[in-house]
Amino acid sequence: AQTVTQSQPEMSVQEAETVTLSCTYDTSESDYYLFWYKQPPSRQMILVIRQEAYKQQNATENRFSVNFQKAAKSFSLKISDSQLGDAAMYFCAYRRLMYSGGGADGLTFGKGTHLIIQP
Amino acid sequence: ETGVTQTPRHLVMGMTNKKSLKCEQHLGHNAMYWYKQSAKKPLELMFVYSLEERVENNSVPSRFSPECPNSSHLFLHLHTLQPEDSALYLCASSSRLGVFGTQYFGPGTRLLVL
Repeated sequence: AQTVTQSQPEMSVQEAETVTLSCTYDTSESDYYLFWYKQPPSRQMILVIRQEAYKQQNATENRFSVNFQKAAKSFSLKISDSQLGDAAMYFCAYRRLMYSGGGADGLTFGKGTHLIIQP
Repeated sequence: ETGVTQTPRHLVMGMTNKKSLKCEQHLGHNAMYWYKQSAKKPLELMFVYSLEERVENNSVPSRFSPECPNSSHLFLHLHTLQPEDSALYLCASSSRLGVFGTQYFGPGTRLLVL
């Protein structure tokens, strides 16, 4: 079974600074997807960024980027120029790749990291 | 309406009540999911439906009964719940054929069982 571990229950960063959230995972699969979701106080789960395991290039979305280390099974999220609106719970999630065309497979989530932005 | 909607947003029920949670997606997706988010556990996958067929039931107690009448609607029928079932219930949808199968979530139903 796959597991996802987020070892930082809470992180704090000054506004405009950079912060990195850690995530490690365990799987025996060679192909899979990784995601970071953000959950603000509204509890709406919002996709931040996603990464295909077979791609060596790290994904980026504006101020958000990942450091994907497949051999180490590590998938960290870097937030640059932190803004007050970035304050939220951040969840790392794993999904295996479905070759059968089924295409419907649940996500395995970590416990989350609570990110605080200091003004 | 856009995205994934859930009703009701808040629900309080007694242990002997029967209630249903509703999820509707407006994204043209054909896979839908129920997750449970409680205070001290990671999000837990409960059920997966693909093309209205249940493809996964993650060892969920029978007091939770899902229903997927079509690809746009998903229900979670609740009966004789326990206080430990109090949680945020999140619905999500995805495209079966999408490369990532990225799941898009609704705002959740916050359930309190008394």
